[in-house]
Amino acid sequence: GENVEQHPSTLSVQEGDSAVIKCTYSDSASNYFPWYKQELGKRPQLIIDIRSNVGEKKDQRIAVTLNKTAKHFSLHITETQPEDSAVYFCAASESGYSTLTFGKGTMLLVSP
Amino acid sequence: EAQVTQNPRYLITVTGKKLTVTCSQNMNHEYMSWYRQDPGLGLRQIYYSMNVEVTDKGDVPEGYKVSRKEKRNFPLILESPSPNQTSLYFCASSPSDRYEQYFGPGTRLTVT
Repeated sequence: GENVEQHPSTLSVQEGDSAVIKCTYSDSASNYFPWYKQELGKRPQLIIDIRSNVGEKKDQRIAVTLNKTAKHFSLHITETQPEDSAVYFCAASESGYSTLTFGKGTMLLVSP
Repeated sequence: EAQVTQNPRYLITVTGKKLTVTCSQNMNHEYMSWYRQDPGLGLRQIYYSMNVEVTDKGDVPEGYKVSRKEKRNFPLILESPSPNQTSLYFCASSPSDRYEQYFGPGTRLTVT
């Protein structure tokens, strides 16, 4: 089955800095790559996703890049703010309606 | 209000006592799924369902059962719970035209 590795497990940045979280996956059949944000005590929420037919997608301060050849994808957050502090999970799936395998998560701490 | 609900939210039980965690969504979503979340392991998919009477195993299905008799409900059944099933459980649903999964509030289960 699919295996998703996520790094780093924790990331501390100063407010205004950029943050990058990286994930690799093992199954070349995977075509859908979402990122979820989970604030403390809350449920996960989708922040951005990308499908394999594009290499990059951006939504305001958040962007995701995908390299299918190398089987890795990354989340980029620019101009970080304290409210960006949360655990971020990457995931991979052959389609959005098959098994969705998550990485172990990255705890991002943004200090004022 | 569009939402995914889970009941109970908290449950403490003993080894071997059958239990059911209910999940219901009012958004007419076709896809529903169950996850467990454990510290350091991220979210792991237990079972998913693409529609009524259609279910499939996720990454960690052992010890769990599900059913999808109605579109809105997707209960998770633990026939004989064991302490290693102590975890935080999330139900999620998504529509057929988007892959975004909407998570329920979570059920914290403790098996002693």
